Amino acid sequence: DAKTTQPNSMESNEEEPVHLPCNHSTISGTDYIHWYRQLPSQGPEYVIHGLTSNVNNRMASLAIAEDRKSSTLILHRATLRDAAVYYCILSSTNAGGTSYGKLTFGQGTILTVHP
Amino acid sequence: DGGITQSPKYLFRKEGQNVTLSCEQNLNHDAMYWYRQDPGQGLRLIYYSQIVNDFQKGDIAEGYSVSREKKESFPLTVTSAQKNPTAFYLCASTLSPALEPFFGQGTRLTVV
Repeated sequence: DAKTTQPNSMESNEEEPVHLPCNHSTISGTDYIHWYRQLPSQGPEYVIHGLTSNVNNRMASLAIAEDRKSSTLILHRATLRDAAVYYCILSSTNAGGTSYGKLTFGQGTILTVHP
Repeated sequence: DGGITQSPKYLFRKEGQNVTLSCEQNLNHDAMYWYRQDPGQGLRLIYYSQIVNDFQKGDIAEGYSVSREKKESFPLTVTSAQKNPTAFYLCASTLSPALEPFFGQGTRLTVV
């Protein structure tokens, strides 16, 4: 099974950009990369996801390495509300790539945002 | 509105009792998942189901059981065989690997 590795914690100042890395060196060609964030005692909240190309939405950007063995979630201007645990998740398919299998979570990165 | 509903939000049980956590979705998703989260740790997969009447063990299935008799429902039973059942339990569902999974708000189970 594919695995993901994330730093335990990162810090940022408000209004500054944040780059959250994730390594997934054993990713298969049909695995999607999802990013979620979680506040204490709540379910994870969707941030962004992609397969091969970089993706942008109103919350963040996702930069995927050309070999797909790593990705980076980019928060362009951190706010205090962005303080959370960020998870990099692989959405694995079956061997034929036609059906879904496991959702594999990393350990998560605790993001602290300083005012 | 479509979504996933986990109930109850908080659950207390005495040691040695089985307890069932509910997870219902009205998103027409085929795949559903159960995760366990302990304080300060990430999510670990307990069971997952890709289709009705079929499910697979995740990484920490011992002491848990599930059923998938209906597409919209995937209940998790925490049995007395589970050594440390106190945890935060999360349910998720997805329509496709190409689409984002949806998560419930979780059930915090405390066994005393």
